Amino acid sequence: AQSVAQPEDQVNVAEGNPLTVKCTYSVSGNPYLFWYVQYPNRGLQFLLKYITGDNLVKGSYGFEAEFNKSQTSFHLKKPSALVSDSALYFCAVRDFSANQAGTALIFGKGTTLSVSS
Amino acid sequence: DAGVIQSPRHEVTEMGQEVTLRCKPISGHNSLFWYRQTMMRGLELLIYFNNNVPIDDSGMPEDRFSAKMPNASFSTLKIQPSEPRDSAVYFCASSPRAGGGTQYFGPGTRLLVL
Repeated sequence: AQSVAQPEDQVNVAEGNPLTVKCTYSVSGNPYLFWYVQYPNRGLQFLLKYITGDNLVKGSYGFEAEFNKSQTSFHLKKPSALVSDSALYFCAVRDFSANQAGTALIFGKGTTLSVSS
Repeated sequence: DAGVIQSPRHEVTEMGQEVTLRCKPISGHNSLFWYRQTMMRGLELLIYFNNNVPIDDSGMPEDRFSAKMPNASFSTLKIQPSEPRDSAVYFCASSPRAGGGTQYFGPGTRLLVL
């Protein structure tokens, strides 16, 4: 079965420091991987995705993610955190378990990022 | 583009009442998803449609929940009768055919059942 895991419920960093939010996945076949961010009382916003190509994917708001096939990971990173980055972050993998036309995503449980000033 | 539109944004109702949540997907998107988010269970996929046809409703908690998509620009999620444990934020999302699976979420409907 396909799945995605976010091992940390919360990540705390100081403003200006680099941040990493971890995600690991389990799929049969090539993964389609996504990161979303949710600010308080808002819907999820798409940040970036990996389908194929370069292992380092750049997205919105200065975020990037590194796809590592051998470690089955897709960690979200940012070189210098901002207080405004504080939010809930979700990793997701496309669910092909039903058929190749399936477009559902399997979401992780989310990681709360807290950036202190 | 206006993005995914959901209404109402907030709903407070009493146990036993019927609740209808509405969603207008982004124009041209062919997939539509309904999610529920709670502190206890996180984000759960309830049902999704491709080309207005329900593909997977295995996440619908019970028969009190039903969803329809009568056309490409409108979907409803109905709860009848509602119960306090249905209190949650309900999100609608849509996805284009050629988007690689990227979903675009609406602002959500915050439902409180008393």
